[in-house]
Amino acid sequence: AQSVSQHNHHVILSEAASLELGCNYSYGGTVNLFWYVQYPGQHLQLLLKYFSGDPLVKGIKGFEAEFIKSKFSFNLRKPSVQWSDTAEYFCAVNAGNAGNMLTFGGGTRLMVKP
Amino acid sequence: NAGVTQTPKFQVLKTGQSMTLQCAQDMNHEYMSWYRQDPGMGLRLIHYSVGAGITDQGEVPNGYNVSRSTTEDFPLRLLSAAPSQTSVYFCASSPLGTGELFFGEGSRLTVL
Repeated sequence: AQSVSQHNHHVILSEAASLELGCNYSYGGTVNLFWYVQYPGQHLQLLLKYFSGDPLVKGIKGFEAEFIKSKFSFNLRKPSVQWSDTAEYFCAVNAGNAGNMLTFGGGTRLMVKP
Repeated sequence: NAGVTQTPKFQVLKTGQSMTLQCAQDMNHEYMSWYRQDPGMGLRLIHYSVGAGITDQGEVPNGYNVSRSTTEDFPLRLLSAAPSQTSVYFCASSPLGTGELFFGEGSRLTVL
């Protein structure tokens, strides 16, 4: 079974700082990759996704992620964070043979100080 | 646009009680699923369904039952609640083949 690791459980940044959240997965075959965001008190929303093609994908609110197949990684980045980016971020993987099932990482809680 | 609707949003149970968390979606998605969210553990899949009449177990199915009599509805039943089932439960749906989930707003369950 595949697993997903998010290296940072808690991250605290000041506004305008750059962000990179790590995500590694264990499955060796074809994967679909996702980042979801959960703002305080809200449900999960899709931030961005990778199915195929350009390994650098852009999502909403200035976020982007890069798929590096050789490193089994899908790190999330944003050049300049805002206070409104305070949320919990989840990386998720859909293995090619797993139908619609997603395996989630443990989440990274980001706090942006104004 | 309703999307995925879960009820109730909050529930407190005593150990041994039973209850049903309701989930309905209006997007005609074939795939529906239930996750539980616990601090530091991300989301773990409880049960899922790929269509009416078809259900299967996920990573943590013990203590939960599901049924899928229609495309729209996917209720989650706790037969005899235990404190270990205190969690936030999310229902999610997606079209088959994409893996892109659409989530409900969650149901916070406390078992005393």
